Amino acid sequence: ILNVEQSPQSLHVQEGDSTNFTCSFPSSNFYALHWYRWETAKSPEALFVMTLNGDEKKKGRISATLNTKEGYSYLYIKGSQPEDSATYLCAFGKGDYKLSFGAGTTVTVRA
Amino acid sequence: GAVVSQHPSRVICKSGTSVKIECRSLDFQATTMFWYRQFPKQSLMLMATSNEGSKATYEQGVEKDKFLINHASLTLSTLTVTSAHPEDSSFYICSAKDISGYNEQFFGPGTRLTVL
Repeated sequence: ILNVEQSPQSLHVQEGDSTNFTCSFPSSNFYALHWYRWETAKSPEALFVMTLNGDEKKKGRISATLNTKEGYSYLYIKGSQPEDSATYLCAFGKGDYKLSFGAGTTVTVRA
Repeated sequence: GAVVSQHPSRVICKSGTSVKIECRSLDFQATTMFWYRQFPKQSLMLMATSNEGSKATYEQGVEKDKFLINHASLTLSTLTVTSAHPEDSSFYICSAKDISGYNEQFFGPGTRLTVL
C-alpha cells in the first residue's frame, strides 16, 4: 500500500477567496499524479493527470503543480465559488495504471 | 464523453445473499476496469483489476472467491459479492480505462451496499 496523504482533511473558504491544499506521495517509482473532483452522489471527475516534474496545469479557476523529486502536488482554487464545494482526491499512479488514493480534501465554499 | 455508469446505486440485502454490481462504459471501450472499496472517512482502496476476456487480478488481502469479477465485454464488468455479511457493507466504485486513452481513468458514481 502506497502512502498518499492529503492535507488538510477539510477546509472552509469564503466565496471569492482563493485556497490551496496538498497531496504528498512517494517520490520513487513515479509515473503519474491524478487529481479528481468528487461531488456528493456523482462520479469523481478527472481534473488533471500530471506526469512531469515541474508540471503546471490549469482548468478554469483550478490549477495544480507537481514536484516529483520531493513528492508533493498542490491544487489551487482561485476566487472560490459555491460550485467548487466538493471533495478533491489525488491519486498516485505507477506504470501498471493502478492508482493509490489519498483520503481527500473536502472544500466547503460559504456564500 | 467518457461516461461510466454503475448499477445499482444503492442496495440493501440480507446476510448470506449475493449481490451483483454492474459497471458499464457508455461511450468508450475499456479493456481494463478497476474496482475500489471505500470505508467511512477512508480513501478509495483498490480491490481488483478487471481485464476483458481474462481473469481479474486481486490486491493483497482481497478474497477472490468472495468478490467475483467478470469482464465479459469491452463495456461491462460485474462485481458479485457472494454470501454477503455485515462487514461487507461499504461503498463500491468502479473505474474504466479508455482503450485508447493515456493514463486516464473514468469513474462510475458508486454503489452503497448495506448488509443486514
